[in-house]
Amino acid sequence: DQQVKQNSPSLSVQEGRISILNCDYTNSMFDYFLWYKKYPAEGPTFLISISSIKDKNEDGRFTVFLNKSAKHLSLHIVPSQPGDSAVYFCAAYGLGFQKLVFGTGTRLLVSP
Amino acid sequence: GAGVSQSPSNKVTEKGKDVELRCDPISGHTALYWYRQSLGQGLEFLIYFQGNSAPDKSGLPSDRFSAERTGGSVSTLTIQRTQQEDSAVYLCASSPRRDINNEQFFGPGTRLTVL
Repeated sequence: DQQVKQNSPSLSVQEGRISILNCDYTNSMFDYFLWYKKYPAEGPTFLISISSIKDKNEDGRFTVFLNKSAKHLSLHIVPSQPGDSAVYFCAAYGLGFQKLVFGTGTRLLVSP
Repeated sequence: GAGVSQSPSNKVTEKGKDVELRCDPISGHTALYWYRQSLGQGLEFLIYFQGNSAPDKSGLPSDRFSAERTGGSVSTLTIQRTQQEDSAVYLCASSPRRDINNEQFFGPGTRLTVL
């Protein structure tokens, strides 16, 4: 049972355009969400997070939006750069959980 | 180094052999996690250590998998009688403490190939 879902395995975007990566979750006990970025042959690195008390968090080119009623969050990257090409994992956490629950990842390719 | 380190970076073994994977967390981090990423899959939680508490082993896929953390620092993940389906990248992560801001710092992973 996949509690955190990233339904798009891959996304291709042109440099300078917006990248939108989506994530859905099923467990209403999740109240903290994180995005990790992973380059080949490296471990994931933390990118941005959002608490359920907010519906938006922004950090430079990266913005995460949370829609609790839809159990949906998205990561926007504007403008996209070729160096953003990586696999992006959505993760969720909640009281009573000892661990992050990760999605399956979306591979983003930003072409020049 | 300042980050999480793992060794070896690559391990090729024959089916039925035992393997040990090592993780050195960031100094001072009390929480340590093991995950694995199989081809086309997301990060699958395996086991979690927090300080001196009993580890959360709920993600271990079978009794062939075990892990220990000595002295609250270095951790070893052991896979006995390896099977081909154990082939994956095994990732270790550490975190300063277990709280709501559960940012984890990942190592580079060990790529395990079971022939």
